[in-house]
Amino acid sequence: AQTVTQSQPEMSVQEAETVTLSCTYDTSESDYYLFWYKQPPSRQMILVIRQEAYKQQNATENRFSVNFQKAAKSFSLKISDSQLGDAAMYFCAYRSAFAGNKLVFGAGTILRVKS
Amino acid sequence: KAGVTQTPRYLIKTRGQQVTLSCSPISGHRSVSWYQQTPGQGLQFLFEYFSETQRNKGNFPGRFSGRQFSNSRSEMNVSTLELGDSALYLCASSFPTGGENTGELFFGEGSRLTVL
Repeated sequence: AQTVTQSQPEMSVQEAETVTLSCTYDTSESDYYLFWYKQPPSRQMILVIRQEAYKQQNATENRFSVNFQKAAKSFSLKISDSQLGDAAMYFCAYRSAFAGNKLVFGAGTILRVKS
Repeated sequence: KAGVTQTPRYLIKTRGQQVTLSCSPISGHRSVSWYQQTPGQGLQFLFEYFSETQRNKGNFPGRFSGRQFSNSRSEMNVSTLELGDSALYLCASSFPTGGENTGELFFGEGSRLTVL
């Protein structure tokens, strides 16, 4: 079974600074997708960024980028120019290419942004 | 375009009762999946429905069941409620794209169940 580990329960960053959230995963599959989801307090979860395992190029979405190391099974999220609105719980998630929409989530990292 | 709608948003039940939660996906989305979120266990996959058929199931007891209707709306039911069933239940819909199934999941705001 696949597992996802987020080793940082909580992180803090100063507004306008850069922060990196860590995620490692364990799988024996070669085809899969990795995601970072953001869950603001009392609000719905939204997709931040997605990475297909077969793509070597790291995904980027505006201020959000990932460092995908397939051999090391590592998938970290970098948030540049942090904003107050980035404060939320961030979940790393794994999805097999052959398991429909079943996501395996990490425990989450609470990100606090200081002004 | 309306998002994923879950009802009710909050509910309180007592042990032994049963509960039904509803999820209306984004128009055109055919896949609906359910997740349980608790402080102790985190986010856990319950099941997924696609075109009225259960496509995937997580490791939950048979007290947890679901179904999907022809309009893609889904319901999940929990019978004989236990204290440990208190959780935020999230529904997510997706429109699978091609054979790679890379459809993004769109989540609802959840139904918060408290079991007393």
